[in-house]
This record gives sequence, structure tokens and C-alpha cells, in this order.
Amino acid sequence: SQQGEEDPQALSIQEGENATMNCSYKTSINNLQWYRQNSGRGLVHLILIRSNEREKHSGRLRVTLDTSKKSSSLLITASRAADTASYFCATDAMGSQGNLIFGKGTKLSVKP
Amino acid sequence: DGGITQSPKYLFRKEGQNVTLSCEQNLNHDAMYWYRQDPGQGLRLIYYSQIVNDFQKGDIAEGYSVSREKKESFPLTVTSAQKNPTAFYLCASSILSGGDTGELFFGEGSRLTVL
Repeated sequence: SQQGEEDPQALSIQEGENATMNCSYKTSINNLQWYRQNSGRGLVHLILIRSNEREKHSGRLRVTLDTSKKSSSLLITASRAADTASYFCATDAMGSQGNLIFGKGTKLSVKP
Repeated sequence: DGGITQSPKYLFRKEGQNVTLSCEQNLNHDAMYWYRQDPGQGLRLIYYSQIVNDFQKGDIAEGYSVSREKKESFPLTVTSAQKNPTAFYLCASSILSGGDTGELFFGEGSRLTVL
């Protein structure tokens, strides 16, 4: 069952621009997480935001969470070519007992 | 270095054969997971385990089997009953923290191709 859905599916920007990706989900959650995946590689955890938090920062990353709208956004500021990757949101639904549900991801391309 | 090791990285299988993918972690994590990823898709959970000698089916467990005889090891067998096994398989682990699922640590994946 797919809980998180990212938008857009693909995003192409120039270096230095900001990139915003959105995630919508369906049920109540304990937390929401964002991951990054370079082509053909494993996923790397970026940031976790709990249901009682509204915003979180980590370096050039800013994540917001709106539980009333069941949505989250990931902002990457001052993007670099090395940020080119796919980005996934994953939700830890209440009562899921360890089953993180991943969306289909946003493919970000940052052109030098 | 601490982390998760998956092997092999690439695997080719003939139809009708079972194959086993290895996943080993030295992070001392209690929970381990197997996900399947198809092109342009998100990850779908196959099996997960929160304690040795216990595991639960995920969303797409049919045609797969696992074991958890040791805390650090969680091998996945793709059986001949799996109708469409060609995919990228990812193993992950995490700390157990109350009722929440925290950060997952992923291996580099195993790409299985059925010929």
C-alpha cells in the first residue's frame, strides 16, 4: 500500500536554485522521513520530522510538516550538481509496527 | 566500518531457480527489513524482523522467504514461486524505539535479473 506520494515526479533546475518537493499521505503518522537515492545505490536518510513538529532544518535542507493537510515538503536551498538524485518520503503510520511506507519519489536533476 | 553489507551486487537466475540474497549488519540494530524496488517506483516491503527468530510479512511477501537466526543476519530467498522476481532488492536496519520506526540504514542493494 502506497501511503506517501511525492510531487512532482521529476524536477530539473539550475545550480544555485532552490528545489522544493512535496509529499502527501493518507493516515495519521508517528513521523515522516525523507531519503535520497543516487542511481543504482541504496537510500540515505536525510531527515526525520515527528508528528508534533512543524519544521526542521539540516544544513541546506528544510522540511515542513502539516498534519492537518497530511502533507510535507522538502526544500533544498542553493542546489548543487551533486544534489542530483531521487528523493523519497516515507511515513511511519500509527500502528504500523515497523512498516515504513515509501512514496514513488521525485527525480531531481541539477544542471551545472 | 559500521554498516550494512548486501551480496551479491548483481545476480542472474534462470526461471525455476531459488536464489538467496545476503544481508549482514554490524550496527547492533534489532530491526531488519527487505524492500523491493522496481524502475520508477518506490520501495515495497517484503519482510521485516524486530527480533531474532521472529519476522513478519510485509505488503508483497508471496514468493519470498526469510530467516533471522542471528541478530546481524537477515537473508532473503527469492523462490521459484515469485512470478516476477527481476528487481532491485534493498536491505535495511534500524534501532527499535518504543512504537516509532526511526531512521533506516540501507545497504547498497542487490540487482536480480531472471533470464
